[in-house]
Amino acid sequence: AQRVTQPEKLLSVFKGAPVELKCNYSYSGSPELFWYVQYSRQRLQLLLRHISRESIKGFTADLNKGETSFHLKKPFAQEEDSAMYYCAYNQAGTALIFGKGTTLSVSS
Amino acid sequence: KAGVTQTPRYLIKTRGQQVTLSCSPISGHRSVSWYQQTPGQGLQFLFEYFSETQRNKGNFPGRFSGRQFSNSRSEMNVSTLELGDSALYLCASTPDRGKRGYTFGSGTRLTVV
Repeated sequence: AQRVTQPEKLLSVFKGAPVELKCNYSYSGSPELFWYVQYSRQRLQLLLRHISRESIKGFTADLNKGETSFHLKKPFAQEEDSAMYYCAYNQAGTALIFGKGTTLSVSS
Repeated sequence: KAGVTQTPRYLIKTRGQQVTLSCSPISGHRSVSWYQQTPGQGLQFLFEYFSETQRNKGNFPGRFSGRQFSNSRSEMNVSTLELGDSALYLCASTPDRGKRGYTFGSGTRLTVV
């Protein structure tokens, strides 16, 4: 079945440590993938698009078609990065299919 | 530029009742999609509308329905409410088949008792 998989429910790191949030997808063709973030008591917001290859708030994500992965990385975590992160696939330009999400907890 | 607006913010309904949720997209966005967010299932796609036509539908029972008006505003209806329908219902809009991403509203928190 077509799906987006985020294997970790919770990732706990110390401030200043590197972060990698994993995302794997099982769709064929040229996927459109995104990372969304939901901070406590805030609305879901777009963090990154694979198509733009940008860096937002120090986060980057590279699409690896061979490994069907789109992992989110940051070299030095900050406490304000603590949030729920969702990897998502744009299905037919009409729907986002989300992974289950990973809670990132950054402590000092 | 106003964001995606969802009303009401909170609703409490009784089993068996029906409910209507409203979503106003960002001005100029013609695609509106709906999602259900629960702790157990995460974010699940309900349906998407473009120019008053439903283009895509998720795996939800027929009790869940929606529509879109000519001004792109959308409503979602759930009939014969069940306890399991308690969730945060999110609406999102996009102008361009989502290539630049979708913008989400704050959601409507529905509690069924």
